[in-house]
Amino acid sequence: NAGVTQTPKFQVLKTGQSMTLQCAQDMNHNSMYWYRQDPGMGLRLIYYSASEGTTDKGEVPNGYNVSRLNKREFSLRLESAAPSQTSVYFCASSESFRDRLYNEQFFGPGTRLTVL
Amino acid sequence: DAKTTQPPSMDCAEGRAANLPCNHSTISGNEYVYWYRQIHSQGPQYIIHGLKNNETNEMASLIITEDRKSSTLILPHATLRDTAVYYCIVRVAGSSNTGKLIFGQGTTLQVKP
Repeated sequence: NAGVTQTPKFQVLKTGQSMTLQCAQDMNHNSMYWYRQDPGMGLRLIYYSASEGTTDKGEVPNGYNVSRLNKREFSLRLESAAPSQTSVYFCASSESFRDRLYNEQFFGPGTRLTVL
Repeated sequence: DAKTTQPPSMDCAEGRAANLPCNHSTISGNEYVYWYRQIHSQGPQYIIHGLKNNETNEMASLIITEDRKSSTLILPHATLRDTAVYYCIVRVAGSSNTGKLIFGQGTTLQVKP
């Protein structure tokens, strides 16, 4: 049981380049999330997917797109990277919020992205 | 979701109890208190949650005041591996909520030998 996995672990981009961050979970969770964390800051929610086939914006969605490919996978795309998107990106998943009173989220190890 | 206030940093001696406070004076009746921690460079890890009763699990205890305006996370015997940033989060649980967590800046706990 790997939990939540993210690829790549590290990435360096030039301004204007595009890339996709991959996330997968093997816990049969319905909900998945993408967060970013800037140095010395807490996590901020970029996008989330409450269930397969749905996606919604979080606090800081500008400059990003997401795809919930299937129940296991949730990808984050930067179409035209900017230096302000230099950050650590965390993916998380949780069971369906309808089934449980609380919502423990399980986090991946993160992707460290630098945009030059 | 209610806003939380935590001290930016705290120290604790190894083997002693670490008591991390959190103020949430605007908490609503249906909002839970959650605690997560983030060990350096890793993803956050769930610790415990509660509504109004005190809670205990294998990691920690959560004490919530009777008026629910503040809470304290207690690590009973802190070890060096408990050095981390601790986040107190208040949010609604259940079918009316999409499960989003709003993280503040947390408390950096340094456990010293």
